Amino acid sequence: GAGVSQTPSNKVTEKGKYVELRCDPISGHTALYWYRQSLGQGPEFLIYFQGTGAADDSGLPNDRFFAVRPEGSVSTLKIQRTERGDSAVYLCASSLRASGFYNEQFFGPGTRLTVL
Amino acid sequence: ILNVEQSPQSLHVQEGDSTNFTCSFPSSNFYALHWYRWETAKSPEALFVMTLNGDEKKKGRISATLNTKEGYSYLYIKGSQPEDSATYLCAFMSTGRSGGSNYKLTFGKGTLLTVNP
Repeated sequence: GAGVSQTPSNKVTEKGKYVELRCDPISGHTALYWYRQSLGQGPEFLIYFQGTGAADDSGLPNDRFFAVRPEGSVSTLKIQRTERGDSAVYLCASSLRASGFYNEQFFGPGTRLTVL
Repeated sequence: ILNVEQSPQSLHVQEGDSTNFTCSFPSSNFYALHWYRWETAKSPEALFVMTLNGDEKKKGRISATLNTKEGYSYLYIKGSQPEDSATYLCAFMSTGRSGGSNYKLTFGKGTLLTVNP
């Protein structure tokens, strides 16, 4: 079946611009996660959704970052007034449930964001 | 702050060599240890989810062991092939507040493996 998909695969933008990154999880997965991998680092947790609501957004670096999942499926990560330090690979993952045996997370290929 | 360390940071081996790398993680509040393989421009691919101390898992030429008491896991690749070239990530999952698992994965920085033909 189809895995997690993310669009665009690459995004180049200028400092100060607004960007949206999209994630399509595996059908039927209720939990969705965003991670960010900056150069030389491992992926770092940003935000987690259970259904439509953001259950934990403690990893979002500041209020320029926001994410939504209005119908409990597709999610959009929104970044306002982008800065060069936002350049990274943004990974999305989904799992059947958020905890317990069914929490194995399946990842998309990521969106590489470059802020000039 | 959870600390997950991987070593070495990068590794170059010849085709046919066997190799291994290490992941160290907190020994308290352990729920699971995940290994992923991440090839450039592809999705990270889950290799193993390990939950019990002493676990050994195998998938083809790749195997992994787990020691939760001392907080480390080894990943072994036997007879490396060029297609094994990738970044290998381990990720720690802690127990949640009400039992079960926390949902967050805390990743190491990865080991970049290059297998030369």
